[in-house]
Amino acid sequence: DQQVKQNSPSLSVQEGRISILNCDYTNSMFDYFLWYKKYPAEGPTFLISISSIKDKNEDGRFTVFLNKSAKHLSLHIVPSQPGDSAVYFCAASKNTGNQFYFGTGTSLTVIP
Amino acid sequence: KAGVTQTPRYLIKTRGQQVTLSCSPISGHRSVSWYQQTPGQGLQFLFEYFSETQRNKGNFPGRFSGRQFSNSRSEMNVSTLELGDSALYLCASSLAGQGSTGELFFGEGSRLTVL
Repeated sequence: DQQVKQNSPSLSVQEGRISILNCDYTNSMFDYFLWYKKYPAEGPTFLISISSIKDKNEDGRFTVFLNKSAKHLSLHIVPSQPGDSAVYFCAASKNTGNQFYFGTGTSLTVIP
Repeated sequence: KAGVTQTPRYLIKTRGQQVTLSCSPISGHRSVSWYQQTPGQGLQFLFEYFSETQRNKGNFPGRFSGRQFSNSRSEMNVSTLELGDSALYLCASSLAGQGSTGELFFGEGSRLTVL
């Protein structure tokens, strides 16, 4: 049972434009959400997180939005750069330990 | 500061064999988690160890086991390998203690192929 879903396996965006990656979850107990970026042959690296007490968190070009009523979060990358081309995973956890539920990933391609 | 180190990086086994994968966390991190990544399934949580105790366990059969040593290094073992066990196995370490959340730092993974 996939509790965190990324329904778009891939996304292509022109350099300089906005990339929007979406993530949905089913478990209302989730209260902490993260985005990870993964390049081929490397492990995922942490990008940005958001706690359920917030609805937005910003870090440079990356902004994560959380809509708890819709159980939906999104990652905005503005402006998109070719180096952003990677697979992006969203993850969620309940505050009961260190178990994270990951989505299946969205492969972002930024076209120069 | 050294990152999370996983060994071996690549290995090939045949059905029925068993395999042991190793993970050295970032110095000072006491939590080690293991994930299985397969195409189309994303990262599936296997288990988490904290201070040598298994704290959380995912929905994997008993063929998948793990342990953590006093220096926080961790191993996972898969017995009676099946073709479907072919995957990238990722280890992640974290500072997080019980009841808190924290960023996971991942290793580069061990790519297991079962023939």
